[in-house]
Amino acid sequence: GENVEQHPSTLSVQEGDSAVIKCTYSDSASNYFPWYKQELGKGPQLIIDIRSNVGEKKDQRIAVTLNKTAKHFSLHITETQPEDSAVYFCAASITWKGGGADGLTFGKGTHLIIQP
Amino acid sequence: DTEVTQTPKHLVMGMTNKKSLKCEQHMGHRAMYWYKQKAKKPPELMFVYSYEKLSINESVPSRFSPECPNSSLLNLHLHALQPEDSALYLCASSQDKSFAGELFFGEGSRLTVL
Repeated sequence: GENVEQHPSTLSVQEGDSAVIKCTYSDSASNYFPWYKQELGKGPQLIIDIRSNVGEKKDQRIAVTLNKTAKHFSLHITETQPEDSAVYFCAASITWKGGGADGLTFGKGTHLIIQP
Repeated sequence: DTEVTQTPKHLVMGMTNKKSLKCEQHMGHRAMYWYKQKAKKPPELMFVYSYEKLSINESVPSRFSPECPNSSLLNLHLHALQPEDSALYLCASSQDKSFAGELFFGEGSRLTVL
């Protein structure tokens, strides 16, 4: 099945600096790669996603890049702010043959700390 | 309305109790999911419903029993749970089974089994 590796597990950056979180996946059939932000006591919230027919996507201070050949994708946050502090999860889609539905396999998460 | 609503937010139960977790969405989504999340771990998929039919059961013990009464509701019935089942249970929905759109998560039900 799909295996998603995420690094680093903890990332501390100064406010205003950039943060980069990297993920690799194992199943070449995966075609959807979302990133979720989870704040304490809340459910995960989608912040950006990318599909396998696209190499890069940007939304204001957040961008995601995908390298299908190398099977890795990265989250880039620029001009970090205190409210960016949270746990970030990458994920890759998995499809069950004959199952009629898709699911997501998540990375282990990155605790992003923005130092004032 | 772009929300997935879960009740209760917190639940404490003994190992002999029977309880249920409830999830509701009114976005017209046809795929609904249960995930389990332990502290400082990623969500793990438990069940997937597609068009009110159970599509995926990720080898979840039978003490967890899902139910999808209609396209807006998803329940998780709990019976004879173990302390290690204590976790945050997340419900999610998507437009359809193929992630044509975003996967929306609820805030979760935090379960403690004594």
